[in-house]
Amino acid sequence: GAVVSQHPSRVICKSGTSVKIECRSLDFQATTMFWYRQFPKQSLMLMATSNEGSKATYEQGVEKDKFLINHASLTLSTLTVTSAHPEDSSFYICSARGETQGLDTEAFFGQGTRLTVV
Amino acid sequence: RKEVEQDPGPFNVPEGATVAFNCTYSNSASQSFFWYRQDCRKEPKLLMSVYSSGNEDGRFTAQLNRASQYISLLIRDSKLSDSATYLCVVNGPLDTGRRALTFGSGTRLQVQP
Repeated sequence: GAVVSQHPSRVICKSGTSVKIECRSLDFQATTMFWYRQFPKQSLMLMATSNEGSKATYEQGVEKDKFLINHASLTLSTLTVTSAHPEDSSFYICSARGETQGLDTEAFFGQGTRLTVV
Repeated sequence: RKEVEQDPGPFNVPEGATVAFNCTYSNSASQSFFWYRQDCRKEPKLLMSVYSSGNEDGRFTAQLNRASQYISLLIRDSKLSDSATYLCVVNGPLDTGRRALTFGSGTRLQVQP
């Protein structure tokens, strides 16, 4: 199956610093990438949808100036958590889908990034 | 009301048991449905898609009832390796352009020896 690579898998940062997370589709062109966040014992919550070459669409309650998303190519999307605070500590997962004949392909997930802000 | 609702469990069952999970979704125009499996601190992985006619993959059977907006997953002859969280996942209506998947909170299964 297709592979989505997400880096880093784990990061610890100080409060007030910024952290960048990369998501790459390795063997297919991802027209759309999705960023999710998962707090312990909760479901994956969609944060934003990013389409290559255009601005990301953020879900209600997600601050676009805090969670910067860049989808510069069909194989790379980045999420930058700016001025991180302890409450931003969470498991961040990217997902990528391609299209075949106008239909969505299966969604593939990155390995996730566990962010801890101290 | 949540878009996708599941019983969080945990379901503690002995090896060899049959266990069933249920899920309801709120948007009647939802297009496609899936069960994903998530192991602790790992990313979700597709277990199976769910079709209107019902479908089976080995020990796993998925069913969809559009009238009741209800999805189920049946696991027969449970193995220790089936222990995980099972996520009910729904894809939104095509006309909304929403291609993101919506996840239930998951049902935790613990198979015991």
